[in-house]
Amino acid sequence: AQKVTQAQTEISVVEKEDVTLDCVYETRDTTYYLFWYKQPPSGELVFLIRRNSFDEQNEISGRYSWNFQKSTSSFNFTITASQVVDSAVYFCALTPRSGNTGKLIFGQGTTLQVKP
Amino acid sequence: EAEVAQSPRYKITEKSQAVAFWCDPISGHATLYWYRQILGQGPELLVQFQDESVVDDSQLPKDRFSAERLKGVDSTLKIQPAELGDSAMYLCASSLGTVQETQYFGPGTRLLVL
Repeated sequence: AQKVTQAQTEISVVEKEDVTLDCVYETRDTTYYLFWYKQPPSGELVFLIRRNSFDEQNEISGRYSWNFQKSTSSFNFTITASQVVDSAVYFCALTPRSGNTGKLIFGQGTTLQVKP
Repeated sequence: EAEVAQSPRYKITEKSQAVAFWCDPISGHATLYWYRQILGQGPELLVQFQDESVVDDSQLPKDRFSAERLKGVDSTLKIQPAELGDSAMYLCASSLGTVQETQYFGPGTRLLVL
């Protein structure tokens, strides 16, 4: 079975603090993709990153960075120097390789509140 | 910038009534998805189309939900009759191909069933 776990339900930080959002996944597939999406209060899911299971290199994009560790089945997301605009719900998701479905399996989400 | 369009953005209905949601994917995107997101949870797939064909509707409650994408472009999701438990956000997404392609989401339709 495929499953994504985001153990942190809510995180509250003060602006300029660094914050890491955890994501642990389960899958029997040897090839898969992992994603992070941001959902601001408006409701739209905004794509942040896609990571191939073959590529364990960490990635940095501005204040965002991602740490993919296949050995621990984790794909953690760090925001450096957080800003109020980062306040949102963040979802980690998995697409299994089996079959022809592109279904995204989402975690429960982590609500991040950045206070000024 | 190309976007997924959805309408209406908000819908309030009474139980046992019929409701319909519309989605227009990004131009050229062959795959279209409908997800349901209950408050406080992650989205869950209801149905996936590849062009006009259904690829996966295993989680679609077919006794009351139906979805179509007749010309392989825009899509309609219908609920008849609506139940209180259907209150949720209904999200449409599209991707260029199928497996593992990045899915881009629309703004969603918030449904409240009274």
